[in-house]
Amino acid sequence: DAGVIQSPRHEVTEMGQEVTLRCKPISGHNSLFWYRQTMMRGLELLIYFNNNVPIDDSGMPEDRFSAKMPNASFSTLKIQPSEPRDSAVYFCASGGPYNEQFFGPGTRLTVL
Amino acid sequence: GQQLNQSPQSMFIQEGEDVSMNCTSSSIFNTWLWYKQDPGEGPVLLIALYKAGELTSNGRLTAQFGITRKDSFLNISASIPSDVGIYFCAGSDNYGQNFVFGPGTRLSVLP
Repeated sequence: DAGVIQSPRHEVTEMGQEVTLRCKPISGHNSLFWYRQTMMRGLELLIYFNNNVPIDDSGMPEDRFSAKMPNASFSTLKIQPSEPRDSAVYFCASGGPYNEQFFGPGTRLTVL
Repeated sequence: GQQLNQSPQSMFIQEGEDVSMNCTSSSIFNTWLWYKQDPGEGPVLLIALYKAGELTSNGRLTAQFGITRKDSFLNISASIPSDVGIYFCAGSDNYGQNFVFGPGTRLSVLP
């Protein structure tokens, strides 16, 4: 089975531009998690969904960040407008039946 | 909020040696996960623990759920060069609804 799929793998954009990150979770998994990883702050949970419904978005840093999960096989994380401090690696993780989480390869975002 | 501490922060060992690292919290958790992350990749799940005192192995890796429910341990036996990477623990107090991650232990294996 395919693991978690994220796209793009790398994104370089200019400050002020809109950025959309995409995730396809593992088929059959009911939970999806978005994380951000930086050297300074490590892995931080941004938001998670159960059965496509956002459960906890307290980790979303600002209103510039938004996430959607229109169906069980797709989620997006959008940053609008982007800022240089948003530069990080963004991971999507799929929640398995025993509460374990399986991570995707990540999207490395650079905002100039 | 909840925080996890991992020790050591980094370690250098000789190939063939055993490795021990731990993860501690001031809060009680009911699920622990251990991950390994290679450069440029996402964390890969190594072991999941669900019960206090539980001891689980995955090849040369063994992890334990501490009986106080505030800590967990990961051991690697007979280390090899491909064990190099960052090892993260993650704990949940709501049965996996969400996890908090530790800062990681960076392992280097010298040939």
